Amino acid sequence: AQSVTQLDSQVPVFEEAPVELRCNYSSSVSVYLFWYVQYPNQGLQLLLKYLSGSTLVKGINGFEAEFNKSQTSFHLRKPSVHISDTAEYFCAAWNFGNEKLTFGTGTRLTIIP
Amino acid sequence: KAGVTQTPRYLIKTRGQQVTLSCSPISGHRSVSWYQQTPGQGLQFLFEYFSETQRNKGNFPGRFSGRQFSNSRSEMNVSTLELGDSALYLCASSLDLAGGPDTQYFGPGTRLTVL
Repeated sequence: AQSVTQLDSQVPVFEEAPVELRCNYSSSVSVYLFWYVQYPNQGLQLLLKYLSGSTLVKGINGFEAEFNKSQTSFHLRKPSVHISDTAEYFCAAWNFGNEKLTFGTGTRLTIIP
Repeated sequence: KAGVTQTPRYLIKTRGQQVTLSCSPISGHRSVSWYQQTPGQGLQFLFEYFSETQRNKGNFPGRFSGRQFSNSRSEMNVSTLELGDSALYLCASSLDLAGGPDTQYFGPGTRLTVL
């Protein structure tokens, strides 16, 4: 079964510093990959997605992610974070076998002023 | 376009009771999925409905059920509530998930507390 691993449960970062949130997936076949963000007391919002094509995907709010097939990774990056980026971030992978979206356990990003 | 709406936003029930949660998808979206979010288990897929039919199902007991109406609105029901059912229940809608994931748009969730 496909799985998604987010190794870092919490990541504290100083404001205006860069950040990378790690995501690894397990799959021997093609994958669709997503990053979602959840602000406090809200639902999930799509940040970006990789379906095919360029391995560097740009999303909303200045975030981008790079699909690396050899390392089965899809890490999320932002060059300079703001207080408003404080949220929980979820990586997800679409499983073509059972047509379900599998989520990682999430990474809580805390921005330090 | 209005987003996905879920009602109620908060709910408190006691063990043994049943509960019904409602989800109104984005206009034109025909697929509705439900997820349970807990601190321990994270986000887990409950089921997906399309054109009033359950098309996919996660690994939850039969106490969890759902349905979809002709206007694509969906409800989920949990019978005989247990303490472990306390969670944030998220609804997501999309045009259609068949053949690959269309972007899912999530509602704000219903927070269920079972006492």
